[in-house]
Amino acid sequence: DVKVTQSSRYLVKRTGEKVFLECVQDMDHENMFWYRQDPGLGLRLIYFSYDVKMKEKGDIPEGYSVSREKKERFSLILESASTNQTSMYLCASSSGLAGAYTDTQYFGPGTRLTVL
Amino acid sequence: SQKIEQNSEALNIQEGKTATLTCNYTNYSPAYLQWYRQDPGRGPVFLLLIRENEKEKRKERLKVTFDTTLKQSLFHITASQPADSATYLCAPYNAGNMLTFGGGTRLMVKP
Repeated sequence: DVKVTQSSRYLVKRTGEKVFLECVQDMDHENMFWYRQDPGLGLRLIYFSYDVKMKEKGDIPEGYSVSREKKERFSLILESASTNQTSMYLCASSSGLAGAYTDTQYFGPGTRLTVL
Repeated sequence: SQKIEQNSEALNIQEGKTATLTCNYTNYSPAYLQWYRQDPGRGPVFLLLIRENEKEKRKERLKVTFDTTLKQSLFHITASQPADSATYLCAPYNAGNMLTFGGGTRLMVKP
């Protein structure tokens, strides 16, 4: 079974802090994604990566950056956390074999981030 | 703009009945559509994928239909059980774009 893990389930940070969210997948997947999920807004794509060191902006990249130095690891960085970034953050991966961005996504358990 | 609509109100049904969830989309011509299940505090889990040339797909007690004319997918759970209680997300994929998730519908199955 595919396993996607995230570094923290719950995180509390202060406004202005730099925040790192880590995601690791163990199935040699090409594609990795970062979403945030808010009540009433559903899942919104922040960034995705289709290869090591490659990244593409999603729908809401402002205030975020990402890093993918190794195939299995995809990091989301909040350069200067703000209260409106309080949310559930979900990482996902997909194999990429069925065609870029078209196949099943496997999600991690999520990180609930609170910015005070 | 592209829009996905799922009933944001919870669907409450009695155990043993069939649950039917709706996913409507506009300004899309999805090549396929996926359904996911999400339990509270957890990430979504893939359930089924249906392609544009398929009218219906089944997996155990689950059935998905895809009507490209109506721009709608229906997700059915037959003989529903309390363990089926969760939020169900649809995700159409439009060629050239990303998989986009609907807001989900919460299903509550009462014993």
